[in-house]
Amino acid sequence: KQEVTQIPAALSVPEGENLVLNCSFTDSAIYNLQWFRQDPGKGLTSLLLIQSSQREQTSGRLNASLDKSSGRSTLYIAASQPGDSATYLCAVPTQGGSEKLVFGKGTKLTVNP
Amino acid sequence: SQTIHQWPATLVQPVGSPLSLECTVEGTSNPNLYWYRQAAGRGLQLLFYSVGIGQISSEVPQNLSASRPQDRQFILSSKKLLLSDSGFYLCAWTPPGGGLVSQPQHFGDGTRLSIL
Repeated sequence: KQEVTQIPAALSVPEGENLVLNCSFTDSAIYNLQWFRQDPGKGLTSLLLIQSSQREQTSGRLNASLDKSSGRSTLYIAASQPGDSATYLCAVPTQGGSEKLVFGKGTKLTVNP
Repeated sequence: SQTIHQWPATLVQPVGSPLSLECTVEGTSNPNLYWYRQAAGRGLQLLFYSVGIGQISSEVPQNLSASRPQDRQFILSSKKLLLSDSGFYLCAWTPPGGGLVSQPQHFGDGTRLSIL
């Protein structure tokens, strides 16, 4: 059974700092990995999707990497801003299926001005 | 472009009352549709998903049910709410065909349900 873990549960940094969020999964046979952002009281917004054949995916100040063999992904945020404050979640499709995602519990990021 | 709508945004209901939450998707056909519940400290829990009209898969035994009466409409219901049904309910969709193998999942803004 696939399990997804995100450590730390919360992170507080000063504005301008570069930071890394971590995601690990137990079964490396994944199709892809997605990173989402959730603002308080809101739904999830898809940030990046990395296919299993890719090692990196970039969007603006965000860079996500994937190491399937070690069961890890990182989300790198460059030059953090207070507007980046949110909860970041990662998710992978369940083993053998294409209809369901397994989510981590997220990392709550606070960027202090 | 595709959009997803959920309503209501917030709901306060007494224990034992019925529930109906609605979700619709625009700008696509035959999407895969999902209902999740998010409770504090417990992460996202998949409740139901549907790959077509009338096709519902249930993930968690509970007093909730889901229906898909139209291609882009997904409804979450209960006949009698329990205190434990409180939470943040999210609807989501993915394009048909490859599903989550190659496509991101898109979420609505959620419904905050409080049971008194």
